[in-house]
Amino acid sequence: AQKVTQAQTEISVVEKEDVTLDCVYETRDTTYYLFWYKQPPSGELVFLIRRNSFDEQNEISGRYSWNFQKSTSSFNFTITASQVVDSAVYFCALSEWRGYNFNKFYFGSGTKLNVKP
Amino acid sequence: EPEVTQTPSHQVTQMGQEVILRCVPISNHLYFYWYRQILGQKVEFLVSFYNNEISEKSEIFDDQFSVERPDGSNFTLKIRSTKLEDSAMYFCASGENRVGNQPQHFGDGTRLSIL
Repeated sequence: AQKVTQAQTEISVVEKEDVTLDCVYETRDTTYYLFWYKQPPSGELVFLIRRNSFDEQNEISGRYSWNFQKSTSSFNFTITASQVVDSAVYFCALSEWRGYNFNKFYFGSGTKLNVKP
Repeated sequence: EPEVTQTPSHQVTQMGQEVILRCVPISNHLYFYWYRQILGQKVEFLVSFYNNEISEKSEIFDDQFSVERPDGSNFTLKIRSTKLEDSAMYFCASGENRVGNQPQHFGDGTRLSIL
């Protein structure tokens, strides 16, 4: 079973539209972190946000917002008023606490976002 | 902000040759990782390293692969006798040993092309 599922393989929107990228995770641990990374065409992984399992507060950072819901094991990412520069592959990831360190990351398969002018 | 640095950014190697990918983790970090991303696919865990030994490895990390921390600052991934399917982006990461608020820091990756 996949630990992190990003069901949307590719999304295309027109600039200024809002877009939500879905992420569903699976874990039996009570302590874990969730992350979103952006991967532009140049290939690096750009950290966007982390959220620990004890903090279900939603977060907003500029045009970005994240909705963490433990009840549905989801950690969705919304871009408001999308821009062409938002075009990239976005990865959701899970890291579980092992009592001494956070374990390796489990990445979703990524969602490719195309923002057209 | 401290960074994980990886060299080279792009490595082109003939099939069958050995390649060494280098990483300099963040200086006070104790846990080190290698991940691989085949073009168009997701990022996959290869190996984690702590206290000078492998703490976990995936099924991808077979005898062809080895890791080393040769001098207390570098963390290397060696691939012996490379195959075409080793072509991928390789990411190094490092982390601290506590429940902190820091993300796992990734380097910018080394793009390995096997010809």
